[in-house]
Amino acid sequence: SQLAEENLWALSVHEGESVTVNCSYKTSITALQWYRQKSGEGPAQLILIRSNEREKRNGRLRATLDTSSQSSSLSITATRCEDTAVYFCATGSNTGYQNFYFGKGTSLTVIP
Amino acid sequence: EAAVTQSPRNKVAVTGGKVTLSCNQTNNHNNMYWYRQDTGHGLRLIHYSYGAGSTEKGDIPDGYKASRPSQENFSLILELATPSQTSVYFCASGDPGGEQYFGPGTRLTVL
Repeated sequence: SQLAEENLWALSVHEGESVTVNCSYKTSITALQWYRQKSGEGPAQLILIRSNEREKRNGRLRATLDTSSQSSSLSITATRCEDTAVYFCATGSNTGYQNFYFGKGTSLTVIP
Repeated sequence: EAAVTQSPRNKVAVTGGKVTLSCNQTNNHNNMYWYRQDTGHGLRLIHYSYGAGSTEKGDIPDGYKASRPSQENFSLILELATPSQTSVYFCASGDPGGEQYFGPGTRLTVL
């Protein structure tokens, strides 16, 4: 079941610019995670934000969570070429906290 | 040192054949997961486990079995492989906080 979904299939930015990826979800959640997957690799977690949190930061990354609109965003500042990857949101529901459901992902290309 | 490893990394199988994908983790996590990733579908959960001896069905378990003989090892078994099971398969282990640590993936082609 598609419980989480990113709002864009692909986007591109120039190196040094900021970019935001958005995600919407359909059920009540306990937490939301953002993952990054580089070509040929498995996904790697970037940020986990719980349902009682509104914002979380990790270096150049900032995630927000709005439970009223059931949406989240991941912002990357001062993008670098190595940020080129697919970005997924994954939601954990109240019925299975340790099982997370992944969106289809947004492909980000950072142009040198 | 990689904490989640998968073998083989690439596999070509024939329709009707048996395929076993193996996963090993050194994170000492109770939870382990098998996903498949296809263009247009993202990651879909096939089976998961809460510990040695347990296996649970995920969202798309049909045609797949799982085995968790130990804390470290979690296998995905395709008893009768079909071309529709051609995909990239990822194993992950999960910590109590919910973060999942993924392996590098296995590319399976069923001819």
